Amino acid sequence: GAGVSQSPSNKVTEKGKDVELRCDPISGHTALYWYRQRLGQGLEFLIYFQGNSAPDKSGLPSDRFSAERTGESVSTLTIQRTQQEDSAVYLCASSLLGNSNQPQHFGDGTRLSIL
Amino acid sequence: ILNVEQSPQSLHVQEGDSTNFTCSFPSSNFYALHWYRWETAKSPEALFVMTLNGDEKKKGRISATLNTKEGYSYLYIKGSQPEDSATYLCAPISGSARQLTFGSGTQLTVLP
Repeated sequence: GAGVSQSPSNKVTEKGKDVELRCDPISGHTALYWYRQRLGQGLEFLIYFQGNSAPDKSGLPSDRFSAERTGESVSTLTIQRTQQEDSAVYLCASSLLGNSNQPQHFGDGTRLSIL
Repeated sequence: ILNVEQSPQSLHVQEGDSTNFTCSFPSSNFYALHWYRWETAKSPEALFVMTLNGDEKKKGRISATLNTKEGYSYLYIKGSQPEDSATYLCAPISGSARQLTFGSGTQLTVLP
């Protein structure tokens, strides 16, 4: 597709369940980022993938969060044993290179609500 | 984690007014600064990526300047239109980091 695609667009689940969010970056973009925005807060970095390098996981808030990316394609963000504080909009972005001079292109996000 | 401050937090202007807002960040070890516009119910859209002290970039009625020595960037909108209503986010990158640290944004509302 022309842009970054995320699915699902909305997810409502019960506390304690696992959820999986998907991101399909722009074709040819080597760098992929996950962010989240909790209510009333700013965009928070979670994890960064660059090509085949080891991902930068420094933003993941707990070991319940994990993410994978296959080569330079789709990425999945998994949250295990969800808690109410995980409710947020989860945004994925990609850029042509992992160079910080490259603008990031964002998807529309997944709005996650934990009951 | 960088300390990024944006001001004002929100702003209401009349259509046709020009406006500007500020992004402040640590000047040490500066690498780059990104500006994004985030409209309600849409995804953030890149406006500018700035790297050099004294840089000035322009996109239509929107322009930005960068002062890396004192650690600030200004975003200007000339002749605001209702479609400019959005949250404007800045995100600096330090030399030791590869990820953006976003400010909390300036929410602009342009009244017709």
